[in-house]
Amino acid sequence: KAGVTQTPRYLIKTRGQQVTLSCSPISGHRSVSWYQQTPGQGLQFLFEYFSETQRNKGNFPGRFSGRQFSNSRSEMNVSTLELGDSALYLCASRNTGRGANVLTFGAGSRLTVL
Amino acid sequence: SQQGEEDPQALSIQEGENATMNCSYKTSINNLQWYRQNSGRGLVHLILIRSNEREKHSGRLRVTLDTSKKSSSLLITASRAADTASYFCATPVWRDSSYKLIFGSGTRLLVRP
Repeated sequence: KAGVTQTPRYLIKTRGQQVTLSCSPISGHRSVSWYQQTPGQGLQFLFEYFSETQRNKGNFPGRFSGRQFSNSRSEMNVSTLELGDSALYLCASRNTGRGANVLTFGAGSRLTVL
Repeated sequence: SQQGEEDPQALSIQEGENATMNCSYKTSINNLQWYRQNSGRGLVHLILIRSNEREKHSGRLRVTLDTSKKSSSLLITASRAADTASYFCATPVWRDSSYKLIFGSGTRLLVRP
């Protein structure tokens, strides 16, 4: 069973640009969530998607957005990048049936904003 | 915001020794989970302990939970160099039909060969 796949793994952007990150969940997992990890703030919840609907969003500005497609793949977008957006962005998928509490994470997308 | 704190923030031990890390959380929980993160990569789920359990084992891992003190501990016995990683506790939050994990600040474990 393939794991959670995130692309790209690394990217460098400059302030003001926008970025799109992609996540393919484990087959059959319909819930996809995103987390931001920084040295200062640690791991913070960004949003959760289920059946193409955003169920919840963390305390992040509107520059952070996302979506989920009918095949459960998800993308997140950050517009007007700021230096503080430099982080490891982690995607996780969840089986909403048995074992619904456990998240399976991808390897992450490391974003550097210059 | 993070649910709680973990201590120590960093731990350095010799291979073969035991490693203990502690986690405190703030709100009532249904379960508590531990995850491992190798340097700069994704998190891997290690073990889940439910609120009605006091102790749980999985291989060389032993987790305890004290809901009266809102604390948990993770013990790794007979540590190996490959155990070098960061360890995070996490508590789930359900709101309506949404689900998220609140992570602790993590413990960086270094196992010296």
